Amino acid sequence: EAAVTQSPRNKVAVTGGKVTLSCNQTNNHNNMYWYRQDTGHGLRLIHYSYGAGSTEKGDIPDGYKASRPSQENFSLILELATPSQTSVYFCASGGDRASNQAPLFGEGTRLSVL
Amino acid sequence: QQKVQQSPESLSVPEGGMASFNCTSSDRNFQYFWWYRQHSGEGPKALMSIFSDGDKKEGRFTAHLNKASLHVSLHIRDSQPSDSALYFCAASSSNTDKVVFGTGTRLQVSP
Repeated sequence: EAAVTQSPRNKVAVTGGKVTLSCNQTNNHNNMYWYRQDTGHGLRLIHYSYGAGSTEKGDIPDGYKASRPSQENFSLILELATPSQTSVYFCASGGDRASNQAPLFGEGTRLSVL
Repeated sequence: QQKVQQSPESLSVPEGGMASFNCTSSDRNFQYFWWYRQHSGEGPKALMSIFSDGDKKEGRFTAHLNKASLHVSLHIRDSQPSDSALYFCAASSSNTDKVVFGTGTRLQVSP
């Protein structure tokens, strides 16, 4: 069964610290995405990738880096975490228009930056 | 930079009633649309896609797309309390697989 797995599910970080959020998919999807969800803003796209080795900036990339070392894994990196990055982060894979493939989401990571 | 606007922000309907959601895009390149539902504490789950003008019906759900006016809507008939959730539209353009989401509509269905 198609699945996207995020880790950790919950994370508390200190201001100025480095945070890495991980995402794994076994669906053999080329595209992967990182979003953050905040009340009143919906889901905002941070970074996305078309395949191993590729990363693209989304709509709100400032303060975030992404890494796609393999087809299965896509990480979101906060080099210097700030309280404004407190949010729920979702990873998704899919989104291939040619095959009518809706992005498939993980269960989310709740990040608190103190 | 939200290019997909949703309305209303929240909606309350009685059980058995009709719930309707609207999305308008400000980017004429957006040609592919999906509707998602998210229950509390879970990730969003895709309900249906619509890529062509007109109506698309799947069970109690009907989506409508008008590319000329950049408008897409979702209608749920015979709403159930289990339909209470956050609903999003998502859009992708004709030349990229970048997928952007609207701001969401919170639906409450009361028994």
